[in-house]
Amino acid sequence: GAGVSQTPSNKVTEKGKYVELRCDPISGHTALYWYRQSLGQGPEFLIYFQGTGAADDSGLPNDRFFAVRPEGSVSTLKIQRTERGDSAVYLCASSLTDPSSYNEQFFGPGTRLTVL
Amino acid sequence: DQQVKQNSPSLSVQEGRISILNCDYTNSMFDYFLWYKKYPAEGPTFLISISSIKDKNEDGRFTVFLNKSAKHLSLHIVPSQPGDSAVYFCAASGLNSGYSTLTFGKGTMLLVSP
Repeated sequence: GAGVSQTPSNKVTEKGKYVELRCDPISGHTALYWYRQSLGQGPEFLIYFQGTGAADDSGLPNDRFFAVRPEGSVSTLKIQRTERGDSAVYLCASSLTDPSSYNEQFFGPGTRLTVL
Repeated sequence: DQQVKQNSPSLSVQEGRISILNCDYTNSMFDYFLWYKKYPAEGPTFLISISSIKDKNEDGRFTVFLNKSAKHLSLHIVPSQPGDSAVYFCAASGLNSGYSTLTFGKGTMLLVSP
């Protein structure tokens, strides 16, 4: 079956602009996660959705970052007034849900965001 | 403050030999540990995991060892193959976060030469 897909694969924007990054999870996965991987670092957690609601957004760096998942499937990560420090690969993952144990997270290929 | 540390940025091994990748963690609430493998321009893919109730988990050529008292885990690949060349991330999770988030190390780039 299809894995997690992310669009666009690459996004170049100018400082101060607004960007949207899209994630299509694996069908049937109720949990969806966003991570950010900066150069030379491992992925860092941003936000986790359970269904339509953000269950944990403690990783969002500031209020310029926002994410939605209105129908419990596709999610959009939105970044306002982009800064050069936002340049990174943004990874999306999805999983089934069982809060009593770990659920394998399947990652998409990521969107490489470059802010000039 | 990094909670998951991979202190070796890179490792070079000859084909057929053993590769040993190390990882240390500081958060005592972590009780589930994973290794992910990542090729360029692809997302991380799950490789192997271990629960804190075990000290070893084996899957084919891959074995993960966990030393809870030392807060240390390692991934052994034997025999190493050129196709194993990739970046390997150690990650940890815990019941306190509902196992919903992963904390990753910075990764170790493994190069297996023929």
